[in-house]
Amino acid sequence: QKEVEQNSGPLSVPEGAIASLNCTYSDRGSQSFFWYRQYSGKSPELIMFIYSNGDKEDGRFTAQLNKASQYVSLLIRDSQPSDSATYLCAVSPLREKLTFGTGTRLTIIP
Amino acid sequence: EAQVTQNPRYLITVTGKKLTVTCSQNMNHEYMSWYRQDPGLGLRQIYYSMNVEVTDKGDVPEGYKVSRKEKRNFPLILESPSPNQTSLYFCASSPMGWAGDSGELFFGEGSRLTVL
Repeated sequence: QKEVEQNSGPLSVPEGAIASLNCTYSDRGSQSFFWYRQYSGKSPELIMFIYSNGDKEDGRFTAQLNKASQYVSLLIRDSQPSDSATYLCAVSPLREKLTFGTGTRLTIIP
Repeated sequence: EAQVTQNPRYLITVTGKKLTVTCSQNMNHEYMSWYRQDPGLGLRQIYYSMNVEVTDKGDVPEGYKVSRKEKRNFPLILESPSPNQTSLYFCASSPMGWAGDSGELFFGEGSRLTVL
């Protein structure tokens, strides 16, 4: 079982709709969870992090964490074409270590 | 400008010819790390360093070496490159003693390496 699993997509969402990206992880002891965005040909950049169960909102982005289900998600409201990118889920199962999923490619359709 | 700089950005080499990919950050970060990114496999950690003279293996260290003699530099060395090391490499740094405190890894622009 992979440590961090994401649906590779591609996920196509109409402009203005909500994009929902999901991630599961295997290590129950994981404490920190992150979402990075990577545009094609570019390096990843952090967009959200979450430590506690529940929701965390930042502008159009909401991260959701459910440690009991070992599940973390990212919602993007009012999706824009500029949101088209690959979204990487990252989990910290151990101190000093950050494990990335393979990423979900998101395409926003105008 | 705060940045992580990698060189070279693109390199084509042949099997067995030693090469070094340099990484330098100007943000006084303690934590630095190397990742490789391959289709279908995502970002995988090669080595990381918590501070000067402190390095440790990540998930895929075989065939790579690193050193951390200065805080700002963290070169990746391929002593005898093989075709399976053809990949996109990213260097990253973090302001915290450990990247996981905020997850804010600052990535370089990447180095695309092809080994023939």
